Amino acid sequence: GQQLNQSPQSMFIQEGEDVSMNCTSSSIFNTWLWYKQDPGEGPVLLIALYKAGELTSNGRLTAQFGITRKDSFLNISASIPSDVGIYFCAGQLYSTDKLIFGTGTRLQVFP
Amino acid sequence: EAQVTQNPRYLITVTGKKLTVTCSQNMNHEYMSWYRQDPGLGLRQIYYSMNVEVTDKGDVPEGYKVSRKEKRNFPLILESPSPNQTSLYFCASSSRGSDTQYFGPGTRLTVL
Repeated sequence: GQQLNQSPQSMFIQEGEDVSMNCTSSSIFNTWLWYKQDPGEGPVLLIALYKAGELTSNGRLTAQFGITRKDSFLNISASIPSDVGIYFCAGQLYSTDKLIFGTGTRLQVFP
Repeated sequence: EAQVTQNPRYLITVTGKKLTVTCSQNMNHEYMSWYRQDPGLGLRQIYYSMNVEVTDKGDVPEGYKVSRKEKRNFPLILESPSPNQTSLYFCASSSRGSDTQYFGPGTRLTVL
């Protein structure tokens, strides 16, 4: 099955640092999504992107839809301990409900 | 409260003993889906359903069955579980055409 390449696989950072992660694919997507999974829970949608080049923010989170439609980036500024979790990108093909998920980035934040 | 519920949350079983993981949503969503999450592999879709009585295979359907007799319920059936089905399973639902999938809390399954 199709999967998206997400990197880095894991990150260990100090509180207050900025974080960047990205997702790449060989396929073109019409929607890019970023989810966060807290320990012991299911993923929750953070940001949705609908247009190539689009830059969208949600508090300290900023995500971009790549110009080629084959990649996306997520930045977290001034990280805090509650940012800990696994971040997943997901691509959605036009006129389908199917999501293709990335392999995930596990984030640990140390005080 | 709008939610997706799964039961059980944790299950340890033995090879070959049939089991069912239930999934229910109270948001009147048409689309429901099952995923498994494994380290380094992210979330992979097992089966999905576009509406009642309409189901289709996802990326990793082998060894699983589903049914969609009612809109709110989408059970996952393992007729003869094997150790390689040890995983964390998530059910999700969404409105038709929506990008926002709501996930359940997960079911951690161990097959010995």
